[in-house]
Amino acid sequence: AQSVTQPDIHITVSEGASLELRCNYSYGATPYLFWYVQSPGQGLQLLLKYFSGDTLVQGIKGFEAEFKRSQSSFNLRKPSVHWSDAAEYFCAVGPTSGGYQKVTFGIGTKLQVIP
Amino acid sequence: AAGVIQSPRHLIKEKRETATLKCYPIPRHDTVYWYQQGPGQDPQFLISFYEKMQSDKGSIPDRFSAQQFSDYHSELNMSSLELGDSALYFCASSPDGGTQYFGPGTRLTVL
Repeated sequence: AQSVTQPDIHITVSEGASLELRCNYSYGATPYLFWYVQSPGQGLQLLLKYFSGDTLVQGIKGFEAEFKRSQSSFNLRKPSVHWSDAAEYFCAVGPTSGGYQKVTFGIGTKLQVIP
Repeated sequence: AAGVIQSPRHLIKEKRETATLKCYPIPRHDTVYWYQQGPGQDPQFLISFYEKMQSDKGSIPDRFSAQQFSDYHSELNMSSLELGDSALYFCASSPDGGTQYFGPGTRLTVL
């Protein structure tokens, strides 16, 4: 069964500092990988995704993520955090074969940005 | 760009009542997914439909049912509501079974 681990429940960074949110997955093959962001009481917005090809993927709002097969990781990074980035971030994994099936989410990492 | 539409956005029901949540996918998306997100929890998959047929099923209670209609919109029907059903219910759609695009959610409160 596929699973996603986000080891950091809460992270606090200063505005302008760099950010890395960790994500490890468990899956039998190379899955589809996603990062979503959720502001309080809001829906899930897709930040970026990895299906195949270049292991460094660029997303919206200046975020990027790197797929590392050897470490089963898909960490999210941003070089300089803005106060508006405060939100909850979910890493997710989906199956590559057949599709039309569920996405499994990690527990989420809540990001706090301090001035 | 058009997004996934969910209605209503907020719903308050009493225990043992029924509720119907609606989802209108992005145009030309033929796959719809339903998720339930409890307070402080990650979204949990309930059920999905592709071309009006159920394509996958998760931890959906027997009290819940869902279907996808000919115009690809979907409805989640919830009966005999319990306090524990209070949650944010998300619908997502996909054009190809890959990337899922989420709607804003319906916040259901059961009193």
